[in-house]
Amino acid sequence: EAQVTQNPRYLITVTGKKLTVTCSQNMNHEYMSWYRQDPGLGLRQIYYSMNVEVTDKGDVPEGYKVSRKEKRNFPLILESPSPNQTSLYFCASRGQIYNEQFFGPGTRLTVL
Amino acid sequence: QQQVKQSPQSLIVQKGGIPIINCAYENTAFDYFPWYQQFPGKGPALLIAIRPDVSEKKEGRFTISFNKSAKQFSLHIMDSQPGDSATYFCAATQISSGSARQLTFGSGTQLTVLP
Repeated sequence: EAQVTQNPRYLITVTGKKLTVTCSQNMNHEYMSWYRQDPGLGLRQIYYSMNVEVTDKGDVPEGYKVSRKEKRNFPLILESPSPNQTSLYFCASRGQIYNEQFFGPGTRLTVL
Repeated sequence: QQQVKQSPQSLIVQKGGIPIINCAYENTAFDYFPWYQQFPGKGPALLIAIRPDVSEKKEGRFTISFNKSAKQFSLHIMDSQPGDSATYFCAATQISSGSARQLTFGSGTQLTVLP
């Protein structure tokens, strides 16, 4: 089954404690990205990657890091989480030819 | 600066009604306009999409109307059902440039269809 998976689905942490949210896709897609979803603000892109070892900032990159060492994986790293990073996070992937973007199930993060 | 403005923020209709969600964009380079549907606890999923060379596209009960001169597009749901209750996002991107082709999303509309 073609899918994007994220882990964990839910995470409660404290300010300053480094965390990583994993993302994996099995569709051999080149393009992957991370979004955060906040009420009234829709989906805002954090970082994206056009291929292995190629990443770039989206609209709201501050406080986040990413890496793309393998085509299928695109982890999101919060080195020192803060309460304003409490949000619902989605990983997504898309092939080069077709424009449909596939989203993961989401990770609800709470930073206390 | 929000490049895609979506309204209304929430919408309640009776079963069988025709909810309409509107979006307006600013960037005239946008040439692909998808709508995504998101159910609670799930990620968004592509519902329907349109290119600016047509003014309307239908897929089942879902229709996109597109007005290039006004830089507006809208989603109509015919004969709406309680199962259509979800959050709907419009989006826009430029697919002709060969660049990263990021999707710019609207702020979302929470639709409730009452039985």
